[in-house]
Amino acid sequence: AQSVSQHNHHVILSEAASLELGCNYSYGGTVNLFWYVQYPGQHLQLLLKYFSGDPLVKGIKGFEAEFIKSKFSFNLRKPSVQWSDTAEYFCAVKTNAGGTSYGKLTFGQGTILTVHP
Amino acid sequence: DGGITQSPKYLFRKEGQNVTLSCEQNLNHDAMYWYRQDPGQGLRLIYYSQIVNDFQKGDIAEGYSVSREKKESFPLTVTSAQKNPTAFYLCASTASGGNEQFFGPGTRLTVL
Repeated sequence: AQSVSQHNHHVILSEAASLELGCNYSYGGTVNLFWYVQYPGQHLQLLLKYFSGDPLVKGIKGFEAEFIKSKFSFNLRKPSVQWSDTAEYFCAVKTNAGGTSYGKLTFGQGTILTVHP
Repeated sequence: DGGITQSPKYLFRKEGQNVTLSCEQNLNHDAMYWYRQDPGQGLRLIYYSQIVNDFQKGDIAEGYSVSREKKESFPLTVTSAQKNPTAFYLCASTASGGNEQFFGPGTRLTVL
């Protein structure tokens, strides 16, 4: 069965610091990769996604992620964080395991990001 | 506005009682999902349904049941057999052929 691992449970940064959140997955086949964000009191929403093509994908609010197939990784980055980036971030992997046309999303444990002004 | 609604936002129940969480979507999505979110464990899939009158168990289905009688509705029942039901429950949906899951606001269930 596939699994997703996020390395940090809680990251604390000051505004303008650079961010990198780690995500590794275990699955040998074709994957679609996602980062979701959950701002305090809000719905879980999609930050960015990778299906194929350029392994460097850009998302909303200045976030980007790089898919490195050889490392089974999909790390999230932002050059300069803001206080409003305080949220919980989830990495997710979709495979076609199980034969469903919709696939199945497996989520990491989540990383809480706290940005101090 | 199109979206997913879950009600209620907070729910309290006594131990031993079954409780049903509502999930409705007006996005015309075929697939719907239920997840449970616990601190430090991310989201874990309880049940999912790709089409009306059909559903499959996810990773942690024990103690839960679902139905899918209408395309727009996918209620989740937390039964008394669920050993640790207090959690935040999220409903999601996906369009046919789509990859992105859209999430509802969640229901926080507390069993006393």
